[in-house]
Amino acid sequence: EKVMTQSPLILSVSPGEGATLSCRASHTIGNNLAWYQQKPGQAPRLLIYDASTRVTSIPTRFSGSGSGTEFTLTISSLQSEDFAVYYCQQYNKWPPGGTFGQGTKVELK
Amino acid sequence: VELVESGGALVQPGRSLRLSCAASGFNFNVFGMHWVRQSPGKGLEWVAGINWKNDTLDYADSVKGRFTISRDNTKNSLFLEMNSLRPEDTALYYCGKDIAATVTTYVIDHWGLGTLVTVSS
Repeated sequence: EKVMTQSPLILSVSPGEGATLSCRASHTIGNNLAWYQQKPGQAPRLLIYDASTRVTSIPTRFSGSGSGTEFTLTISSLQSEDFAVYYCQQYNKWPPGGTFGQGTKVELK
Repeated sequence: VELVESGGALVQPGRSLRLSCAASGFNFNVFGMHWVRQSPGKGLEWVAGINWKNDTLDYADSVKGRFTISRDNTKNSLFLEMNSLRPEDTALYYCGKDIAATVTTYVIDHWGLGTLVTVSS
């Protein structure tokens, strides 16, 4: 079973500051990693896939990096609309499916 | 792209329920589709996926043997048949579209708003 571990679970940040979120896979997954943002009462929104490919509509302040087992989502200069929960998801082919991490809540400091 | 789930309800443990997802705004026939659930106040759990050709079905271990995913490409619809429901199946169930055409990646680029399933006596 592939396990995804995110850290920290809660990140307190002031508007305008940067934030670095981490995601660790229990087994190597190449670059098969996605990041999602979820705001209260809303469905998740895809931000990044293939570890570093940003979805067209996502602002450039969001960037992803990493490969193998260690991955990072970086948000430069947080805006008020960025306070949310962020999930990583691995999607290697076996076992089939996409395992999510437990989420990192980015909150206002 | 629009995905609209329906069918969620309050059901007793051991009973069955069928969820539906109506898709529009894209060529449904060439994209894999998924169900993802979220228990109240908890994280996301991928539940099941089906490829565009309707011949490859994948399930999370937690639902294997109890849930069945299916699709009707003539009606742009996705379904989840849930049997032997347990209290731990209580969650908001999201329908999701795979990001890639004709190959299942498990990356979900569009999500519905979800339908709530509550399993309780």
